[in-house]
Amino acid sequence: GAGVSQSPRYKVAKRGQDVALRCDPISGHVSLFWYQQALGQGPEFLTYFQNEAQLDKSGLPSDRFFAERPEGSVSTLKIQRTQQEDSAVYLCASSSPSAPEAFFGQGTRLTVV
Amino acid sequence: KNEVEQSPQNLTAQEGEFITINCSYSVGISALHWLQQHPGGGIVSLFMLSSGKKKHGRLIATINIQEKHSSLHITASHPRDSAVYICAGYYGGSQGNLIFGKGTKLSVKP
Repeated sequence: GAGVSQSPRYKVAKRGQDVALRCDPISGHVSLFWYQQALGQGPEFLTYFQNEAQLDKSGLPSDRFFAERPEGSVSTLKIQRTQQEDSAVYLCASSSPSAPEAFFGQGTRLTVV
Repeated sequence: KNEVEQSPQNLTAQEGEFITINCSYSVGISALHWLQQHPGGGIVSLFMLSSGKKKHGRLIATINIQEKHSSLHITASHPRDSAVYICAGYYGGSQGNLIFGKGTKLSVKP
């Protein structure tokens, strides 16, 4: 695709509900990153994939957060039993081996009520 | 602990003013991104630089790796420049990871 695509753009979830956020990276981009951005803060690293391998998940805040990229392209970030503190913008970025510049999606704004 | 610091946190300017946003970092970053984030949340990469200076239109970015400092300048600012500007350090590794600053919220008044 022309850019990194994320869906949905906005998600309102009731506390305790499970959610799934999708990221469709730029075609051919090997690396994929998920970030969480709380209101008024810079993005914080969650996890990183190289192709289908999840090489770093040190930023996932709890075991309720799970990410996958089974075929090395589209990635899904799943949050189980959502809590109010999960409310944030979730950003996805991808990059290619030839250049470390990261391309970002529009983000998914998650609001847990 | 956030190892990328930006200043100022908020900046209000009049249209036409010259604007400078500063970024300093405490780790051995090999390159630095300047990013622009509009209220909708999407992030656009403005520059990635590892030395010297880059210019694109009215935007200029400079970096001094030894001093661990970078600046983003906007000449002849315009209300459409209003956004959050974020610097992010690239610290390598495979494709690496980014350490983000908290952002500078710029508002340009007509």
